[in-house]
Amino acid sequence: DQQVKQNSPSLSVQEGRISILNCDYTNSMFDYFLWYKKYPAEGPTFLISISSIKDKNEDGRFTVFLNKSAKHLSLHIVPSQPGDSAVYFCAATNSGYALNFGKGTSLLVTP
Amino acid sequence: GAGVSQSPSNKVTEKGKDVELRCDPISGHTALYWYRQSLGQGLEFLIYFQGNSAPDKSGLPSDRFSAERTGGSVSTLTIQRTQQEDSAVYLCASSLNQGAIKETQYFGPGTRLLVL
Repeated sequence: DQQVKQNSPSLSVQEGRISILNCDYTNSMFDYFLWYKKYPAEGPTFLISISSIKDKNEDGRFTVFLNKSAKHLSLHIVPSQPGDSAVYFCAATNSGYALNFGKGTSLLVTP
Repeated sequence: GAGVSQSPSNKVTEKGKDVELRCDPISGHTALYWYRQSLGQGLEFLIYFQGNSAPDKSGLPSDRFSAERTGGSVSTLTIQRTQQEDSAVYLCASSLNQGAIKETQYFGPGTRLLVL
């Protein structure tokens, strides 16, 4: 069963605008959440994470928001750049190592 | 420095044959993970190695799948009697695992396996 869900398979955003990628999870035991970014023919690379004791974590243009009561998190990219075009995976864990991934959202940032 | 490397990058095999997939983790990383991504799916955890401890094999989908890690470095994932549903991208990751909880996993480029 899919414990981490990314319901939007794709998203297109204009350069300079905000990109918002969403993720929902079903397992209330998850206490650590991550976003990975993947370019074609490469492995996923870590982008940003958040612990369940926080509701926001920011790193440059990237901010992750966590709403525990709704079991929802989102990744905001501001401003979006063409180089941000990639597949973004949401992941969650409660064991510390086995990551549970969503199916990914393909982001296209157009000039 | 060198990242996680995997070989082969692509593998085509016939149903029923055995395959071996190799992973070279980042030097000095003691933790190693295997995941697979089937078409249209997210990454699925398969197995975790940490130093000399017994591996966590809880994600292996069947007894046709096995993995070993020799000398605490290189790992091999073996699939026996391959089936068409084994077709996927098999990804390896490593991390320092110095006791830090939930540390970053660094992924290799994956091996794309196609079972005909």
